[in-house]
Amino acid sequence: RKEVEQDPGPFNVPEGATVAFNCTYSNSASQSFFWYRQDCRKEPKLLMSVYSSGNEDGRFTAQLNRASQYISLLIRDSKLSDSATYLCVVRGNNRKLIWGLGTSLAVNP
Amino acid sequence: GAGVSQTPSNKVTEKGKYVELRCDPISGHTALYWYRQSLGQGPEFLIYFQGTGAADDSGLPNDRFFAVRPEGSVSTLKIQRTERGDSAMYLCASSLTSASTDTQYFGPGTRLTVL
Repeated sequence: RKEVEQDPGPFNVPEGATVAFNCTYSNSASQSFFWYRQDCRKEPKLLMSVYSSGNEDGRFTAQLNRASQYISLLIRDSKLSDSATYLCVVRGNNRKLIWGLGTSLAVNP
Repeated sequence: GAGVSQTPSNKVTEKGKYVELRCDPISGHTALYWYRQSLGQGPEFLIYFQGTGAADDSGLPNDRFFAVRPEGSVSTLKIQRTERGDSAMYLCASSLTSASTDTQYFGPGTRLTVL
């Protein structure tokens, strides 16, 4: 079983739709959680950190459920520019980032 | 300010050759990380430095891979006797410290192709 699992998609949604991505992780000792965005042939860029209390940044909301070892990302009112791969990332006390395979999103006009 | 830079952006080499990939972290960042990303996969950890020392090199796939950071700033990833399976995007990231909450900022990567 992979340490971080995501549905690879692709998710194809129309502009304005709400889309949700889920991620599970296997190491209960994981300490920090992130969502990164990666455009085709570019480096990953931090989208947001994820906290147990949930956090929101504009149209993006991230949630962490430690008991279920589950992380989510919700994108509201999706834009064409949101088309990218979204990577779920987990970090333990050994400092390494463990990455999911990524979920591909295509927002269509 | 300047972000993480990596050179070269693309490297094509022949099987069996030696290559060096360079990473310039953000000024003042003490932690530096190397990752490798194959097509359709997430990045895979290779090694990280805290200052000049390799704090964790458990991700290096074999002894053909080696990395240095002699002055605690620029790092070089060295691959000997390259194989076709080494073809991937090599990503470097830096963070202010190695604390688990510190954001890692990524460079644009070096795309290595081994023919």
